[in-house]
Amino acid sequence: AQTVTQSQPEMSVQEAETVTLSCTYDTSESDYYLFWYKQPPSRQMILVIRQEAYKQQNATENRFSVNFQKAAKSFSLKISDSQLGDAAMYFCAFWGGSEKLVFGKGTKLTVNP
Amino acid sequence: GAVVSQHPSWVICKSGTSVKIECRSLDFQATTMFWYRQFPKQSLMLMATSNEGSKATYEQGVEKDKFLINHASLTLSTLTVTSAHPEDSSFYICSASSGRAYTREQYFGPGTRLTVT
Repeated sequence: AQTVTQSQPEMSVQEAETVTLSCTYDTSESDYYLFWYKQPPSRQMILVIRQEAYKQQNATENRFSVNFQKAAKSFSLKISDSQLGDAAMYFCAFWGGSEKLVFGKGTKLTVNP
Repeated sequence: GAVVSQHPSWVICKSGTSVKIECRSLDFQATTMFWYRQFPKQSLMLMATSNEGSKATYEQGVEKDKFLINHASLTLSTLTVTSAHPEDSSFYICSASSGRAYTREQYFGPGTRLTVT
């Protein structure tokens, strides 16, 4: 079974600075998808970024980018120019042959003004 | 686009009663819907997967007779918590997939907070 590990229960960053959230996963599959979801205090899950495993190029979405290292099974999220609205729980998730999302335990991000 | 709604957003019920939570895809047809449970400060735990017109597939440890899931149409899935007890109090989230293989994206509802007294 696939597992997703987020080793940082909490992180903090100063407004306008950059922060990187870590995620590692374990799978024997070669074709899969990885996601970062944001869950603000409203608890609405919001897709931040998606990476297809077959793509070597790292995905980017405005201030959000990933460092996808397939061989190392690592999928970190970098948030640049952090804003107060970025404060939330961030969940890394894996989608593979089981046809369901497997979530990590989450990282709580605090943005300090 | 790709909006999923849940109703109610919060509900309080007495122990022993049943409560139904609806999950609707508003602007797309959801071939597959997922139901999650989330305890405070924890991650999402998948409870079951439902495909339109088929019986739901429950995750190990989830009581199918307590958590009844019906996916009667391509836009509606319901979760009924039967004979609710205080330990069933939690935040329930649904998500829906359009089945487009190239995205594997799920669209999440806003969640339902259930409190059983």
